[in-house]
Amino acid sequence: DAGVIQSPRHEVTEMGQEVTLRCKPISGHNSLFWYRQTMMRGLELLIYFNNNVPIDDSGMPEDRFSAKMPNASFSTLKIQPSEPRDSAVYFCASNPSGQETQYFGPGTRLLVL
Amino acid sequence: DQQVKQNSPSLSVQEGRISILNCDYTNSMFDYFLWYKKYPAEGPTFLISISSIKDKNEDGRFTVFLNKSAKHLSLHIVPSQPGDSAVYFCAASAKDFGNEKLTFGTGTRLTIIP
Repeated sequence: DAGVIQSPRHEVTEMGQEVTLRCKPISGHNSLFWYRQTMMRGLELLIYFNNNVPIDDSGMPEDRFSAKMPNASFSTLKIQPSEPRDSAVYFCASNPSGQETQYFGPGTRLLVL
Repeated sequence: DQQVKQNSPSLSVQEGRISILNCDYTNSMFDYFLWYKKYPAEGPTFLISISSIKDKNEDGRFTVFLNKSAKHLSLHIVPSQPGDSAVYFCAASAKDFGNEKLTFGTGTRLTIIP
């Protein structure tokens, strides 16, 4: 099993640009989670999906952030326009329904200049 | 409002000794707790968990203790090994309330000194 796949692994962009992060969950996992890791706040949940439906997006910082899950094997997190304070590591995780243990991808390190 | 708190950002322990990492929580609805380990440039990986119906769970060198009345849990690693050097995250969920969300702490960086 390839595990959770994220791309790109690193992204450097300029303020105001659109950024799209991608995630492929583990096959058969029904839930998908997007997290952001910063030094000050640790791992924050941004949004999670169950069976491709957004369940809780209360962690999405503001309207500049949006997430989609068009099918069971793909999700995107988009930031438009990006700002320097969005610089962080973004993780995607998945798990089978009913199981608490989440499996994380390697993360995307985003730097907004 | 940080519902899961890890008050020690870092900890250094001699190889072979016991490492104790602490975690406090404020939400009484949390009923399942997990520890994750994270190496640089990798995603967190699951280490050990405990349900609120237990007060201890052991897996090899790793033991998690839960004190519900104090809303406190701890992870003991004994004996500590150089490969244990990593960032450790405590996480909690309200499983019985049908909520899949995990709430994470800010992490503790453990350094094992050879």
